[in-house]
Amino acid sequence: QKEVEQNSGPLSVPEGAIASLNCTYSDRGSQSFFWYRQYSGKSPELIMFIYSNGDKEDGRFTAQLNKASQYVSLLIRDSQPSDSATYLCAVNEVTTDSWGKLQFGAGTQVVVTP
Amino acid sequence: ETGVTQTPRHLVMGMTNKKSLKCEQHLGHNAMYWYKQSAKKPLELMFVYSLEERVENNSVPSRFSPECPNSSHLFLHLHTLQPEDSALYLCASSQDTTSAFNEQFFGPGTRLTVL
Repeated sequence: QKEVEQNSGPLSVPEGAIASLNCTYSDRGSQSFFWYRQYSGKSPELIMFIYSNGDKEDGRFTAQLNKASQYVSLLIRDSQPSDSATYLCAVNEVTTDSWGKLQFGAGTQVVVTP
Repeated sequence: ETGVTQTPRHLVMGMTNKKSLKCEQHLGHNAMYWYKQSAKKPLELMFVYSLEERVENNSVPSRFSPECPNSSHLFLHLHTLQPEDSALYLCASSQDTTSAFNEQFFGPGTRLTVL
């Protein structure tokens, strides 16, 4: 069973600080990695994706990928109360028929405190 | 309408009822998905359609029956459900299912309660 693991949290972060979220995955063949944000009672919305080892920055968000260690992380700089949500890590699962299926983690709840 | 829409947003049904969930995507995508999201659990993929053809069925009980009449519309027909089927049902779409770089866009979901 291919798995995507995340700490469930809650991760409490003071306003203005950096929130650091981690995700590990079991399928070494995975090629693409996605971070979704899900507010309570709402659907997931894509905030970042990363395909290559290293860092990718988009505004206050930085995704970091290390395929050798099989982890992907998300940093949220200058955290705001509006960042309080559950963050889902999703990993492309490579199958024999080359169809790209996303495997989701259970999510990390982030709470930004004023 | 933009993005992915779902109706109804909330549904309460008895175990003997028959109901349908509807999803429509306005993104010109070729692939559509049904997911089930239960509290504190990862999203569970239920069905995948690519160009109206079902390409994945993740051992979903037969009381859930999908239908994809065209690449923009997806239905989930429900009958004789169980209380444990109560969950948020999410529809998603993506450009295709052949690429590893497969960004999926979600609809707002249907909150289903089975009494």
